[in-house]
Amino acid sequence: AQSVAQPEDQVNVAEGNPLTVKCTYSVSGNPYLFWYVQYPNRGLQFLLKYITGDNLVKGSYGFEAEFNKSQTSFHLKKPSALVSDSALYFCAVRRTGANNLFFGTGTRLTVIP
Amino acid sequence: NAGVTQTPKFRILKIGQSMTLQCAQDMNHNYMYWYRQDPGMGLKLIYYSVGAGITDKGEVPNGYNVSRSTTEYFPLRLELAAPSQTSVYFCASTDRQPPPGGYTFGSGTRLTVV
Repeated sequence: AQSVAQPEDQVNVAEGNPLTVKCTYSVSGNPYLFWYVQYPNRGLQFLLKYITGDNLVKGSYGFEAEFNKSQTSFHLKKPSALVSDSALYFCAVRRTGANNLFFGTGTRLTVIP
Repeated sequence: NAGVTQTPKFRILKIGQSMTLQCAQDMNHNYMYWYRQDPGMGLKLIYYSVGAGITDKGEVPNGYNVSRSTTEYFPLRLELAAPSQTSVYFCASTDRQPPPGGYTFGSGTRLTVV
């Protein structure tokens, strides 16, 4: 079985402040973890992934995520938020050997000018 | 432009009608997926395919059918539409597992069943 939890439906942050969008997972074996962003009326866009290696993963648009095996977390971070970062963010997990990703319920990020 | 193309973008169906959501990709990807997105529910996998001629059920396959006769196309068929099928449908593809660059998603089909 596999599951992903995004405990916050909504995150608000002031422009210029650091942002964090939380994700925890449950999967058998080694996890493959992903973050996607969705802008209004658009499909999802890939931001970054963790497969193996360094726990800190850097991705598109200045985003990064930290894999923490002991806490089974993969939180998305950015040092300085932009208004244009306002969107819906999805965490996803793939268990070893699976042919598909399992998505969380999404977190809506609003960056306040 | 290379990518995943979904048609139509919007559709309103009456209860009991049928329709096919079209999905095409020109990247020669083996893996293709259909997800539905409902508010607060994230994306749920309906069906997927690992190559031409091979399809499998996802989490929520009831009321849907798929076929994959070629690598490029992966249509999703709704038979006897019901209000519970009102949703936004996304098609996605990737060339291998785990997806090195994530999935490539289409722009979605917004379906309303009335």
